[in-house]
Amino acid sequence: ETGVTQTPRHLVMGMTNKKSLKCEQHLGHNAMYWYKQSAKKPLELMFVYSLEERVENNSVPSRFSPECPNSSHLFLHLHTLQPEDSALYLCASSQADGPYEQYFGPGTRLTVT
Amino acid sequence: KNEVEQSPQNLTAQEGEFITINCSYSVGISALHWLQQHPGGGIVSLFMLSSGKKKHGRLIATINIQEKHSSLHITASHPRDSAVYICAVTRTLGGSRLTFGEGTQLTVNP
Repeated sequence: ETGVTQTPRHLVMGMTNKKSLKCEQHLGHNAMYWYKQSAKKPLELMFVYSLEERVENNSVPSRFSPECPNSSHLFLHLHTLQPEDSALYLCASSQADGPYEQYFGPGTRLTVT
Repeated sequence: KNEVEQSPQNLTAQEGEFITINCSYSVGISALHWLQQHPGGGIVSLFMLSSGKKKHGRLIATINIQEKHSSLHITASHPRDSAVYICAVTRTLGGSRLTFGEGTQLTVNP
C-alpha cells in the first residue's frame, strides 16, 4: 500500500466523452502531481499543485483540466481527447519545497478510441 | 539530448549475477532518485541521494556529483528484481519537480 490511490485503474473512452481521473493521498503531503507515461517515452510531468495552488502547467493541451480541491485530492478532467492521449496516467504526492521523495499511485491506464 | 540519460536500455541477467545500471545527467541537481516500476505500472521510490552512497538490502546507489553520474547496483539478483528502473533528478531550485530518464528494463532469468 503506497498511500496514494487512483481511480479508475482502467478507462476506455471515446473521443467525444468527458471523464475524470481521481487521486487521493493519505500521507499528509502538500504537493501533488500528474504524470503521463506513453510507450517508449520517459515520464512527462503534466501538472504540479503545491499547497492547493497550481504551480506548474507543463504545456499541456486544454483538453486536460486539473482540479485540486484540497491537499489530499487531485482530479484530472478529460474531454474531447485524441487517440494519442492513450497512456498511463500517474499521480504522485510529496512534501512541497523539495527535494523530497515522491510517492506514486498505481496509475490509470487510459485508452481513447 | 535528454537531460537524464540511462544505460543500458535493456538488460538481461541470470539469477545471482551482479547488476549495474548507470545514469548521467547534464543539469545542476539537488538530489537524484532511483525508482522501480513493475509490470502494471506502480512506481516505488528506491533511493533519494545527493552525495556518496546508500544501501538498502541488496540494492546500492552511488552518486558522483563532480562527474554528474550515478549507478544503481543489485547484488545476488533474483527474478523478482525484474522491473523497469528509472533514474530521475530534482533540479537545483526546482522544488520537488522530477526530470526522468527513459528507464532500464531489467529481466532476471532463473
